[in-house]
Amino acid sequence: EAGVVQSPRYKIIEKKQPVAFWCNPISGHNTLYWYRQNLGQGPELLIRYENEEAVDDSQLPKDRFSAERLKGVDSTLKIQPAELGDSAVYLCASSSRARTGANYGYTFGSGTRLTVV
Amino acid sequence: GQNIDQPTEMTATEGAIVQINCTYQTSGFNGLFWYQQHAGEAPTFLSYNVLDGLEEKGRFSSFLSRSKGYSYLLLKELQMKDSASYLCAVRDGNAGNMLTFGGGTRLMVKP
Repeated sequence: EAGVVQSPRYKIIEKKQPVAFWCNPISGHNTLYWYRQNLGQGPELLIRYENEEAVDDSQLPKDRFSAERLKGVDSTLKIQPAELGDSAVYLCASSSRARTGANYGYTFGSGTRLTVV
Repeated sequence: GQNIDQPTEMTATEGAIVQINCTYQTSGFNGLFWYQQHAGEAPTFLSYNVLDGLEEKGRFSSFLSRSKGYSYLLLKELQMKDSASYLCAVRDGNAGNMLTFGGGTRLMVKP
């Protein structure tokens, strides 16, 4: 099966500019996560979707970050305006309620490395 | 909430054995994962423990003690390619199986 697909792979923008990241989860996975990973640290959850509903967005900086998951499939994470401190890797992951496969239904995409200059 | 601790860095010699510890405090515990992450890449699944005891998979083993909130990842016959970050993550069954990660342990394998 195809894995979690993210794009772009890399993005360099100037501060105060907007940026958007896209994620296509594994087909049939109802839960989608966006994580942010700063250099040398573990991933931190930004938002979790159950189908099209955002059920946990407590760690999402809502003044500049927004996300959507229309139709409960693909998701987009947006930052507007970007700040220097937003430079990080943004990881998308998806899971299904059924434990299937070696990953127990939880798979990461390759991530988008954002650099804000 | 969740609190997960693991050492920041470790160094070991090629061919040796290394143990990476992880302690956690959590509610709704529904499993502990270890992931390997090479620089610039996504985390990849290594092991999963939900019951106490040792899970062995080739050169890698993982141990869990739920009463102690403790796990370790054991890497045997270390190879240079094992140089990576190792992430301990706890799954919360009360929160849609969300994973909360520790800060990761950067392992450097030297010749």
